[in-house]
Order: sequence, then structure tokens, then C-alpha cells
Amino acid sequence: DAGVTQSPTHLIKTRGQQVTLRCSPKSGHDTVSWYQQALGQGPQFIFQYYEEEERQRGNFPDRFSGHQFPNYSSELNVNALLLGDSALYLCASSNPAAGEKLFFGSGTQLSVL
Amino acid sequence: AQRVTQPEKLLSVFKGAPVELKCNYSYSGSPELFWYVQYSRQRLQLLLRHISRESIKGFTADLNKGETSFHLKKPFAQEEDSAMYYCALSLTGYSGGGADGLTFGKGTHLIIQP
Repeated sequence: DAGVTQSPTHLIKTRGQQVTLRCSPKSGHDTVSWYQQALGQGPQFIFQYYEEEERQRGNFPDRFSGHQFPNYSSELNVNALLLGDSALYLCASSNPAAGEKLFFGSGTQLSVL
Repeated sequence: AQRVTQPEKLLSVFKGAPVELKCNYSYSGSPELFWYVQYSRQRLQLLLRHISRESIKGFTADLNKGETSFHLKKPFAQEEDSAMYYCALSLTGYSGGGADGLTFGKGTHLIIQP
């Protein structure tokens, strides 16, 4: 099992552009969460998806949106990129009903120029 | 809103010395508390959680509701303990933080000197 996989590993965009990040959860996991980690900071919760619906959301603007597919994989979309969106974006998966703990991916490093 | 504070950005101790990483939280309810660790070039992973009251790799952490603290301790530090440590809080239930969004502190970089 490859665990949680994220793509791409690195991405460079310019202000105003849109970006899509992808995540495949660990086998057996049905819940996907996304976090933003700015340099020198701890991860900040963006949102969580379960059964293809956004179940919980952190304090992020509507420019941040997501999707979960029937195979439990997920996408994070960010519109109208700002310089401040430059960060490491972490995906984490779990299966709370089964008592499975949270597993993190290696992240996508997004740079906005 | 809930908050997690880790007052030390960097903590350096010698091998064999005791280690204590501080974590304080603010939340009026009864949260679940966790410690996550990130070793060099590895992913963020769960180290321990307060509800299990377990010891992992010699580390323990006790939840002190009166002081709203969840300090991480180890009596004798080892070089392989060098890593980034994050304290985190969950508002609802267990599952290692997988049932809802976690609130993380800014992290403490622990360096164990030989």
C-alpha cells in the first residue's frame, strides 16, 4: 500500500491563476482532509470530505473548493491565486468509523509568483 | 475559537538528557489532544494521543485540564528523536484526528546533540 499519494509534488503558478491538487487516500480510507502549511507554521485545516460531500470546513475563503470522487480520491481547487497561497498543501486520509488514525501525504508545494 | 500554543520554536538538548516539549491549548470544552511528529524527509505522523495514555518511543504526555496543557516528555533523549513536533487538538472524538479537522500548533524543532 503506497499510503496517501499526492500530485503533483511541486507546482508554480502566477497570481490570478487557478490550480488543482490531487490526492489518493490510503487503501481502506473513506475520509479525506486537506491542510495548508505555510513556511514556519503548523498545518491549517481547510476542509474534509466524506461520501463525496464537504463535511467540515476551516476558516478559508470560497476560493478554496474541493471534490471527492466515488473511489474516495479528492481534489483541492484554488481560484484567483494570491501570493499568500504559497504553501505546502497536505492531504490526509482516515476511516473514523473503523478507528483508523489519520495518515498524511507528503504534500504538494505550491509557489505563487 | 480553539488555539494551540507551542512556546518553543527550537529546543536543543544533549543525548541522554530529559526532554519536555510544551503545549498549551485554549478551548472551553473537552478536546482530544495529540502529538504529531515529522522526521527529516518523512511525512507527518501521529506520535501519541491523550485518550490512549500510551507511551510511544519512550514519550508520554499527560493532559492537564486545569492548566490546559499537554506537554510531551521523555526521560532520556536519543539522537533519533530529532524531529519537528506538533501538538494538535480535535474537537470531536478519536480516530487520531481523522473524524474532524485538527488545530495544530506552530511546532517545536527538537535537536538532540550527541
